[in-house]
Amino acid sequence: GENVEQHPSTLSVQEGDSAVIKCTYSDSASNYFPWYKQELGKGPQLIIDIRSNVGEKKDQRIAVTLNKTAKHFSLHITETQPEDSAVYFCAASTGYGGSQGNLIFGKGTKLSVKP
Amino acid sequence: KAGVTQTPRYLIKTRGQQVTLSCSPISGHRSVSWYQQTPGQGLQFLFEYFSETQRNKGNFPGRFSGRQFSNSRSEMNVSTLELGDSALYLCASSLQSGTYSGNTIYFGEGSWLTVV
Repeated sequence: GENVEQHPSTLSVQEGDSAVIKCTYSDSASNYFPWYKQELGKGPQLIIDIRSNVGEKKDQRIAVTLNKTAKHFSLHITETQPEDSAVYFCAASTGYGGSQGNLIFGKGTKLSVKP
Repeated sequence: KAGVTQTPRYLIKTRGQQVTLSCSPISGHRSVSWYQQTPGQGLQFLFEYFSETQRNKGNFPGRFSGRQFSNSRSEMNVSTLELGDSALYLCASSLQSGTYSGNTIYFGEGSWLTVV
């Protein structure tokens, strides 16, 4: 089955710096890669997603890149702010059989942005 | 537009008991999935329901079950609770079942279950 590895597990940056989180997946049939932000005591919030027919997607300070050949995708946050501090999860899904498929999550990255 | 609503938010149960958690998806969403989140195992898929039918199931024992009603609301049940079932149970909804463009998956705030 699918396996998603996420690095680093913790990341500390200064406000204004960039942050990069990387994920690799094992199943070449995976075609959907969302990123979620989870704040303490809350559920995961979708921040950006990318599908296998796209190599890069950007939304203001957040961008995601996908390398299908190498089977890895990355989250880039520029001009980080203290409110970006949270746990970030990457996920992959194959959508087998017309089903949503299960989202396979990475273990998460705790991002701390220091003022 | 209301988000995914889960009830109850917090509950404490004793080993051996059973528990039922409820989820109301975003209005118009027909697919509901359930996930278990623990510090050790992270986020793990339990099952997905679409049009009252289970479409997909994760690797959990039969003590974990679910169902979906005609109004797309869903419940999950855990019987014979074990200490290891203590977790945050998350419900997610999307318009349809399938990872096609525009079918975004939204999560609720979760139900915190503690088994003592």
